[in-house]
Amino acid sequence: QKEVEQNSGPLSVPEGAIASLNCTYSDRGSQSFFWYRQYSGKSPELIMFIYSNGDKEDGRFTAQLNKASQYVSLLIRDSQPSDSATYLCAVNPPGSGGSYIPTFGRGTSLIVHP
Amino acid sequence: DGGITQSPKYLFRKEGQNVTLSCEQNLNHDAMYWYRQDPGQGLRLIYYSQIVNDFQKGDIAEGYSVSREKKESFPLTVTSAQKNPTAFYLCASKNQAREQFFGPGTRLTVL
Repeated sequence: QKEVEQNSGPLSVPEGAIASLNCTYSDRGSQSFFWYRQYSGKSPELIMFIYSNGDKEDGRFTAQLNKASQYVSLLIRDSQPSDSATYLCAVNPPGSGGSYIPTFGRGTSLIVHP
Repeated sequence: DGGITQSPKYLFRKEGQNVTLSCEQNLNHDAMYWYRQDPGQGLRLIYYSQIVNDFQKGDIAEGYSVSREKKESFPLTVTSAQKNPTAFYLCASKNQAREQFFGPGTRLTVL
């Protein structure tokens, strides 16, 4: 069973702090990794993707990947109340016939309080 | 504007009825997916299609059916065999870079 694990939270941080969200995955053959933000009652929105070991920065967001440890994280700098949402980690393990079927974690709820 | 549309936004089903959820995309993506999300839960894969006229069962396909007659369209039918269909249904498509994009969702409630 290909699994993606996230702490369900909630993770509560004060406004302006750094929020750190973590995800582990079971399939070592996974090639690409994605972070989605989902506001309550809405559909997931893609915010970051990362393919290579190391860090990738986009504005206030940094994705970090360590394939040896099977670990991917999302850092949100200068957290704002509008960042309060559930963050879903998605991993693309290889499937049959060369397909890559995304597997999602259950998500971590982030609360940024003023 | 390119994107994914789902209709209806809200759907109510009586016991024993089949209902069909619509999903259309104009992103020219080959791969399309249907997920189900229950409160406090992650996304569970129902069906996926990598190409027109072909589709595969996901983790929870029982009680659901799909078709993929056109690249743009991937409708999902929730049959009366699905015993607990109340959920938030999400359609998605994926580009060549494996980035997956979601439609706004359909919230199905059984009366």
